[in-house]
Formats: sequence, structure tokens, C-alpha cells
Amino acid sequence: DSGVTQTPKHLITATGQRVTLRCSPRSGDLSVYWYQQSLDQGLQFLIQYYNGEERAKGNILERFSAQQFPDLHSELNLSSLELGDSALYFCASSFRLAGDLGNEQFFGPGTRLTVL
Amino acid sequence: QQPVQSPQAVILREGEDAVINCSSSKALYSVHWYRQKHGEAPVFLMILLKGGEQKGHDKISASFNEKKQQSSLYLTASQLSYSGTYFCGTGGNQFYFGTGTSLTVIP
Repeated sequence: DSGVTQTPKHLITATGQRVTLRCSPRSGDLSVYWYQQSLDQGLQFLIQYYNGEERAKGNILERFSAQQFPDLHSELNLSSLELGDSALYFCASSFRLAGDLGNEQFFGPGTRLTVL
Repeated sequence: QQPVQSPQAVILREGEDAVINCSSSKALYSVHWYRQKHGEAPVFLMILLKGGEQKGHDKISASFNEKKQQSSLYLTASQLSYSGTYFCGTGGNQFYFGTGTSLTVIP
């Protein structure tokens, strides 16, 4: 158990809908990363927050947004869902701001999103 | 920007050794290695922070050649528990995982 929690575990929805994925980092960790994992794309970095502020963006679609709240939990919002958004979404947390070197990341169990 | 790993897949018998390579087109300041078992989250193995650095973790070790922008993961005397997909990763706040290497250890 990494100490990172994600809810829900599974989510089934229809195209065009909007969903919110939730992540609670390990106690004491200030940094949260979001990743998307699909069969043909591997693990894709979406976005990173540190202590409530957005710090880095990766391959995140404009239909997706995220935020980190004062209690450090984070939410990933996916809207106007398409079939291709079906994937496993992981969040990970680490203690420090990564900088150039990177820090050990602890991954949550993931949310499996199925868009029908 | 995504590091490229080779081989894509490898099958080993228990006790055999394997090497997984990770190459980047961008300058590397650090390399992470993670293992992901089927249906589970990736688990951190190690970070290499300096060029030429080698680290070990039980019978799994890695090297990092900053000049060549490459890292290699060495698995010696493989065990069934080593099966999974191995990812290298690099970057700081913007983090990129490699293409992945599926490793299967059979009895």
C-alpha cells in the first residue's frame, strides 16, 4: 500500500459526459502528478501540482483540467468524454518539488475509466 | 521526449539474467526505474542521479551514462516475482516514462 488513494476505482460513463477523479496523496507529500495509461500509449504524463499550484503540464487535452486543494488532495476533471479517453488514470505523489532531478513517486491504485 | 526502451519484451527462465536499456534524445539529469505488475500501479525501484552512477536493489541494479543519455537495468538470477513491465522515466516536474519493457519469468 503506497498511501496514495484514488476514487472511484472504476467508472463507466457515456460519450459527452463529464467525470471527476479524486486523489489523496501520501501524508506529508506536497506534489501530485496525474498520468493516463492506455494500451497503445503507455504511461503519459498529464499534469503536476505542488502545494496547490500547477507546476508542469504534459500531454493534457484542453477538455481535461485539474486542481489541487488546500488539503492537498487533487481532482482531475474530464469533460466531453470520447471513446478514446477510456484508460487507467493514475495519480502519484512525492514529497518535494521535483526540479530537474525528479523524486521518487508513489502511485495510487488508479481509476479505470470506460467511456461507452 | 519519451525515452525509448529495448527490448520491448523478454521471456526468461528463473535464474537467468536480463538487461533492459533506456535511451533518451534529450539530456538526462536523472533516471528513474519503476516496475508495474499486471493490473497494479507502478512501483518505484530506484533513481540514478549522476552520470556513471550505479545503484543496486537486491539483485536488480542499474547504470546511468549521462554522456550517452542512456541507462540500463540489470536483473540477475531472475525470480518469478520479477515478472512485470519495467519503465524508465526521466524529467523533473514534467516527467516522462519510457516505452516500457515486458519481462516474463517462467519456471
